[in-house]
Amino acid sequence: KQEVTQIPAALSVPEGENLVLNCSFTDSAIYNLQWFRQDPGKGLTSLLLIQSSQREQTSGRLNASLDKSSGRSTLYIAASQPGDSATYLCARATSGTYKYIFGTGTRLKVLA
Amino acid sequence: EAGVAQSPRYKIIEKRQSVAFWCNPISGHATLYWYQQILGQGPKLLIQFQNNGVVDDSQLPKDRFSAERLKGVDSTLKIQPAKLEDSAVYLCASSRVAREQFFGPGTRLTVL
Repeated sequence: KQEVTQIPAALSVPEGENLVLNCSFTDSAIYNLQWFRQDPGKGLTSLLLIQSSQREQTSGRLNASLDKSSGRSTLYIAASQPGDSATYLCARATSGTYKYIFGTGTRLKVLA
Repeated sequence: EAGVAQSPRYKIIEKRQSVAFWCNPISGHATLYWYQQILGQGPKLLIQFQNNGVVDDSQLPKDRFSAERLKGVDSTLKIQPAKLEDSAVYLCASSRVAREQFFGPGTRLTVL
């Protein structure tokens, strides 16, 4: 069964801290992996997309890495801010169908 | 560029009633996805279209759910009859083939 797991389920950190969110998947036939944030009552906002041929992608204070051999992706957030508080979701797409399977998310709270 | 549009934003119905959701994807995006997101969980793919053909509908409860994509553009998801467990947020997303997904704001369905 193809699964995506995100640990921790919830995280609370003081403002300014650097943090890492983890995403692991069981299927190595991955085409790409996408990270999203979701604010309460809202849709998903795309943060970063990593193709299977890439090792990492960066956007501002965010850096996402992909290690297909170990079935892991990490999202690094530098100098966290209260505005970063949200649920972060990863989703991986399978080669061929480009069907996405989502993790259950990490609920992040950054304290001012 | 306009984003993914969905309507209605909220819907409350009695069990056994019917309901329909509408999605207009980003112009030029061949792939359209419908997801169901239950509170506290990650989105679950219900159906994936490429142009007006179905790529994957393995998790669509076909005895009560149906979906179509008109002329490869707009899409409608219907539930008939609704059950209490269908209460969820229904998310529509679109992408160019095998590229980054973009999500609409979602429709929150409450079945009483």
